[in-house]
Amino acid sequence: DTGVSQDPRHKITKRGQNVTFRCDPISEHNRLYWYRQTLGQGPEFLTYFQNEAQLEKSRLLSDRFSAERPKGSFSTLEIQRTEQGDSAMYLCASSLGVGTETQYFGPGTRLLVL
Amino acid sequence: GQNIDQPTEMTATEGAIVQINCTYQTSGFNGLFWYQQHAGEAPTFLSYNVLDGLEEKGRFSSFLSRSKGYSYLLLKELQMKDSASYLCALPSGNTPLVFGKGTRLSVIA
Repeated sequence: DTGVSQDPRHKITKRGQNVTFRCDPISEHNRLYWYRQTLGQGPEFLTYFQNEAQLEKSRLLSDRFSAERPKGSFSTLEIQRTEQGDSAMYLCASSLGVGTETQYFGPGTRLLVL
Repeated sequence: GQNIDQPTEMTATEGAIVQINCTYQTSGFNGLFWYQQHAGEAPTFLSYNVLDGLEEKGRFSSFLSRSKGYSYLLLKELQMKDSASYLCALPSGNTPLVFGKGTRLSVIA
């Protein structure tokens, strides 16, 4: 399978714990995006990378959230001191990295904070 | 700024045609995307329009009018598997994609 992959697919954690999610983009894609989606809403942009550089962060991204893409390949999204409001689907997408272009999404990580 | 408006829900009959509308306001236009999302799954790309007019792709077509800030997705010969959410999305400023809330389509027999 050469699509975008995410791990884990599901995560249940207790409030206050830290969680980390991983995303592996399509191999030739230079751009990688993180989104959050709650029930009945469209995906909300969180941040994105061009290779290893983080180019944009949403104002929605509080200081408890951090994302990295150290070698320009896979990326991690960490949430520190989780809150119940962090419960959502976290989606990763990737694209080639030229202009306005199609993003291809991974299956997502569903987070439940108890 | 960005404002994207889609109907929340629609219902249509198997075999029929349905049109899902999207209106938007944007300070700079760089194309409009439609994605399909089945419940519990990731969005999958359907279409991209950057010029006015109709783009046809099998049973699905997408239309754009930049002057009116309007797009629609047309689904023909509806099948039960077309029951899903349909998301309209546009680039906005430094944000690669801003999504609407999506239109949940139910196809009934």
